[in-house]
Amino acid sequence: AIQMTQSPSSLSASIGDRVTITCRASQGIRNDLGWYQQKPGKAPKLLIYGAFNLQSGVPSRFSGSGSGTDFTLIINNLQPDDFATYYCLQDYNYPWTFGQGTNVEIK
Amino acid sequence: EVQLVQSGTEVKKPGESLNISCKTSGYTFTNYWIGWVRQMPGRGLEWMGIIYPGDFDTRYSPSFQGQVTISADRSISSAFLQWRSLRASDTATYYCARWLRSKDYFDSWGQGTLVAVSS
Repeated sequence: AIQMTQSPSSLSASIGDRVTITCRASQGIRNDLGWYQQKPGKAPKLLIYGAFNLQSGVPSRFSGSGSGTDFTLIINNLQPDDFATYYCLQDYNYPWTFGQGTNVEIK
Repeated sequence: EVQLVQSGTEVKKPGESLNISCKTSGYTFTNYWIGWVRQMPGRGLEWMGIIYPGDFDTRYSPSFQGQVTISADRSISSAFLQWRSLRASDTATYYCARWLRSKDYFDSWGQGTLVAVSS
């Protein structure tokens, strides 16, 4: 199975900060990667699909990049609503696998 | 409006069987894959498997193959996750989600079902 190594596992940031989260795949996955945001007690929510496509309704301060094995989620101008846990998910081949998650906390 | 509504919290004992459901509405059930995701308390998301109700094609993560059964009933537009013999380690919240094949992402999620297994 493809391993998705996500980093950091947690970070503290302030409102207005730029936050960078990375996912590295154990083998090439083209751009078959999505980013999801999850808040406590809630289902995940899609932010980015196909590595860099912004889901409709998601603020433009979120962006994704990468292809092959290395992927990045960037949050510009961090807002209070952005404090959550973020996961990458590869759907290149079965079994699909999530990264371990990145908890974004308030500094 | 697309909706996935999951069955309620379950409290079970080790060794008991369980079937949780994901009732869908607002779209053609047979045209979309439905996946299941586990989240153990305080832990991350784990992809368990996925089913295509159109032909019942089902894929499992090796971590869950043989431990659970994923099924679907087209007559009631519902997907199911089944255990024959629960373990304490099955304690988790389980989510179902619809997979949008045209763009490759989970676009709609159920609210989650908490399964607590304890003697």
